[in-house]
Formats: sequence, C-alpha cells, structure tokens
Amino acid sequence: DAGITQSPRYKITETGRQVTLMCHQTWSHSYMFWYRQDLGHGLRLIYYSAAADITDKGEVPDGYVVSRSKTENFPLTLESATRSQTSVYFCASSGGEEADTQYFGPGTRLTVL
Amino acid sequence: GQNIDQPTEMTATEGAIVQINCTYQTSGFNGLFWYQQHAGEAPTFLSYNVLDGLEEKGRFSSFLSRSKGYSYLLLKELQMKDSASYLCAVRDSNYQLIWGAGTKLIIKP
Repeated sequence: DAGITQSPRYKITETGRQVTLMCHQTWSHSYMFWYRQDLGHGLRLIYYSAAADITDKGEVPDGYVVSRSKTENFPLTLESATRSQTSVYFCASSGGEEADTQYFGPGTRLTVL
Repeated sequence: GQNIDQPTEMTATEGAIVQINCTYQTSGFNGLFWYQQHAGEAPTFLSYNVLDGLEEKGRFSSFLSRSKGYSYLLLKELQMKDSASYLCAVRDSNYQLIWGAGTKLIIKP
C-alpha cells in the first residue's frame, strides 16, 4: 500500500552537478507529473508522461530531463544544477478509476549551493 | 495568459465558517480542483467541480460558477487541524492543471 513515493526526501548539491530525483507509484496509473513549488508561486509543471515512453514538456522544462521506461517509475534529472533550481519537487500520478484526480508524492526538498 | 487568483492568507476562529475564493481566467475549462496542503507536506485532494453548483463533502463544500470564472471552498465547524494552505487548480483545454499560489488559512482558538 505504498502509493506514490519519492527519493531522496532531502538533497543538497552544488552548482553544476547532475542530480536525479526518483518517483515510484504502485497504482499502475498511466499519467505521471513533475512539479516544482516555490514560495509565492503555484505549483508549476515541469514534465508529464501519459504512458511509458511518452513524455512531454510542461510550463518550465528548461534544465530538466525525464524518462519513463516503466509505468511505475518517472525519474527527473537536473543535468547541471543551478541555484534557481532550489525548490520543492513533487511527483504526482493520475489514472485508474478516479482518472481526474492527481495524487502527490511526499516531495523532495532540493537545495543547490 | 492564464491566471488563477486566490487570497494569500486568511484568518478564522475555531468553530466558525470560512469561505476561500478563487477566480480564474484560463484557455478552456475542464474542471476545477481544490487541494489542501499542510506545511511541509504534499497537497491532498479535497474536491472537484466540473458543473455549476455546490458539491458538499462533510464539513467542506465547493461551489463553481463557470460563467463568472469563480469558485469558492467553504469550510464549516473549523478545527485547528484545518490550518493549512488551500490550493485552487483549473484544468485547461490541454487537460493540464493550472495552479493558484494557494491561500494560507490560520485558525485561532
């Protein structure tokens, strides 16, 4: 009954390093999403995926890369981290019987020094 | 552009009723969501409106007027645990969720 999990929960890295945030869901939901949440802003969509091997850009995709080789996993990679990418990152999924609703993971708090 | 407006912060008293408003201007409309987010936690789903009118779910109700681009979340019999941020989100013509910045609700005893 894990639902949707994210790892790590907290990460501190340095400018220029590559960082990968993991997201795993056990519901077999078809849709998965990555958001970032910053003070004073609403959640902003980075990338989303409608199914395995299908991904698409959201509102703020620059500097991020995603992949989805398996339905249950949707990793987000920051290829060369910048301070402006310091944020809280949420993964979400939707599908199944309540296809309209997005369910969120616990979040990853990323700090880029 | 697309825009979701909600008050930044509201204060209410335990046991009272509070109404949190949300106005939106989006490219298309395919439903409006309300989520609750406690500090340091993930957003959790509260309600969904796609047709005009009131949806009631226990102490929480949500109202939608599509012609006015307006929704509100009504919380009754406020409890201290209701202290949280409340996020309004609209699904646009591309079926993407556009999020408001959230309303921080402070409950005082």
